[in-house]
Amino acid sequence: GAVVSQHPSWVICKSGTSVKIECRSLDFQATTMFWYRQFPKQSLMLMATSNEGSKATYEQGVEKDKFLINHASLTLSTLTVTSAHPEDSSFYICSARDSSLAKNIQYFGAGTRLSVL
Amino acid sequence: GDSVTQMEGPVTLSEEAFLTINCTYTATGYPSLFWYVQYPGEGLQLLLKATKADDKGSNKGFEATYRKETTSFHLEKGSVQVSDSAVYFCALEKSGGGADGLTFGKGTHLIIQP
Repeated sequence: GAVVSQHPSWVICKSGTSVKIECRSLDFQATTMFWYRQFPKQSLMLMATSNEGSKATYEQGVEKDKFLINHASLTLSTLTVTSAHPEDSSFYICSARDSSLAKNIQYFGAGTRLSVL
Repeated sequence: GDSVTQMEGPVTLSEEAFLTINCTYTATGYPSLFWYVQYPGEGLQLLLKATKADDKGSNKGFEATYRKETTSFHLEKGSVQVSDSAVYFCALEKSGGGADGLTFGKGTHLIIQP
């Protein structure tokens, strides 16, 4: 099946630093990727939709200057948490939609746990 | 806005028991409905889906029927195995065309005891 790789799986950083998370589709091309955030015992919340070659679309309440998304190629999207603070600590998950087939299925990465000290 | 409500866990069953995990949704239009499963340390995997009313999705012995009249998509399996232990997420995609992100329920942790 289709594989989405997310890196790193866990990152610890100091408050005020920036952290970049990568999401790669390994065996298919993805014109659309999605970024989600999950708090403990809560559901995944969609943060933004990332389209290759264009600006990301952010959900209401998500700060676009805080969460920078770049989707420069058909296999890679990155999420940068800028000037991270403890309240940004969470589990971030990406997904990618296979654009070569009309499957309308999202394939998910294993997630990145961010801990901000 | 759109929302998905699923039964809270953990749900603990004995092997070979019958499983039902309830899921109801609120959405405008005609969303597509999904069940995803997450095994420890892994990403979410699509278990099954249904794109229109009365469709039945099925995979690995699991089934769910899209019931528009009750806005439900309950997950069932006739005889569970220890290997089915995981977290199960019900989700909807409002457009059904693959261009939208998914709205998820909170997830149900299923524990199967031998």
